[in-house]
Order: sequence, then C-alpha cells, then structure tokens
Amino acid sequence: KAGVTQTPRYLIKTRGQQVTLSCSPISGHRSVSWYQQTPGQGLQFLFEYFSETQRNKGNFPGRFSGRQFSNSRSEMNVSTLELGDSALYLCASSHSGQVASEQFFGPGTRLTVL
Amino acid sequence: KQEVTQIPAALSVPEGENLVLNCSFTDSAIYNLQWFRQDPGKGLTSLLLIQSSQREQTSGRLNASLDKSSGRSTLYIAASQPGDSATYLCAGTCAMNRDDKIIFGKGTRLHILP
Repeated sequence: KAGVTQTPRYLIKTRGQQVTLSCSPISGHRSVSWYQQTPGQGLQFLFEYFSETQRNKGNFPGRFSGRQFSNSRSEMNVSTLELGDSALYLCASSHSGQVASEQFFGPGTRLTVL
Repeated sequence: KQEVTQIPAALSVPEGENLVLNCSFTDSAIYNLQWFRQDPGKGLTSLLLIQSSQREQTSGRLNASLDKSSGRSTLYIAASQPGDSATYLCAGTCAMNRDDKIIFGKGTRLHILP
C-alpha cells in the first residue's frame, strides 16, 4: 500500500508569489491534515480536510488556504509569500472520520522563499 | 491553551542503554497522544498512538505510557541502537475553540553513540 505522497519535494519562490502544494493520502484515507514545520516554532497545525470539507483550522492567516478533492487528494495554497513562510510543509492522512485516529505523514515539501 | 513540552531538547546515550523520553502537556482533556520519529529532512513516522482511555502501548523495543492526571507521557526505548538516532516528537489531540487540533512538542533530538 503506497504511503502519503507530496509534490513537489522542493520549491523555491520569491516574496509576493503564490505557491500550491499537493498531497495524496493513503488509499482509503479520507482525512488530510497540513502542518508547517520551522526550526523556531516546530510543527504547527494548519488545517484538516475531511470529505472535501475543512473540518479543523489552526491559527494561520488567510493567506494559507486549502482544499480537498473527491478522491481525497488535497492541495494547500499560500498567497503573497513572505520570507517567514520558508518551512517544511507536511501533510498527514488518517483513515477514519474521528480526529483522534492515527496519522500517517508524507515526506514533506521544502519551501524556500527568497 | 494546550502546550506540549519535551525535555530534554537533545540527548546522547551510548549504544545498548535503555532510555526514556519525556513529554508533558498542560491540558488533560486530550483525545490521544502520539509519538513520532523524524529523520533529518524527512517526514514523520508514527511510532505509537495512545488513546485517552489507554495507559500504554508497546511496539517492539518501544513502550509509551500516558498519565492524563499528571499531564505526562513517556517513550521508553530498550537496548538502544545507532539506528534509533532521530528526533522524537510527541503530539496531543485536543479540542480548542470548538476545533480539534493536534499540538506537537518541539521534539527531543536523540543521538545513540556507537
């Protein structure tokens, strides 16, 4: 069974640009969560999608948005990039609709904003 | 506000020793606590998930315990090996402002000395 995949793995953008990251969950998983990891703040929860609906949301500005498609694949978009958005972006999928179910992570997308 | 703390931030031990990693959380109203391993530049690998109704989980040389009353979880690694070198993160799932969120600690960077 294939794991969680994320594309692209590495991305370099400049300030003011926008970026879209993609996450394909494990087959059969309907929940996808997104996280930002930085050396200073550690791992921070962005949002979670379940059955194409945003179910939970972290404390990030509106520049960070996401969506989920009917096949459970999810995309995350960051508009008007800032230097501080440089981070490793991780997505995780889980099987059940319960928020307490086990999460499985992808390898991440390393975003560098210049 | 739920906070998850991991102490120490880094740990070096000789190969073969048993060791304990600590995780503490401020709000006992957590749904579960999950331990992860992260290798440099990689995503997270789920190690153990303890539901709020459980007290411990075991997988191979790993044993994780959860004490909600004291706000603590420990990850015990028996007979450590150089391949155990990684960053270990704990994460608690809890309700915050009507949303369910997963809060991560900043991790303990473990180095097993051959």
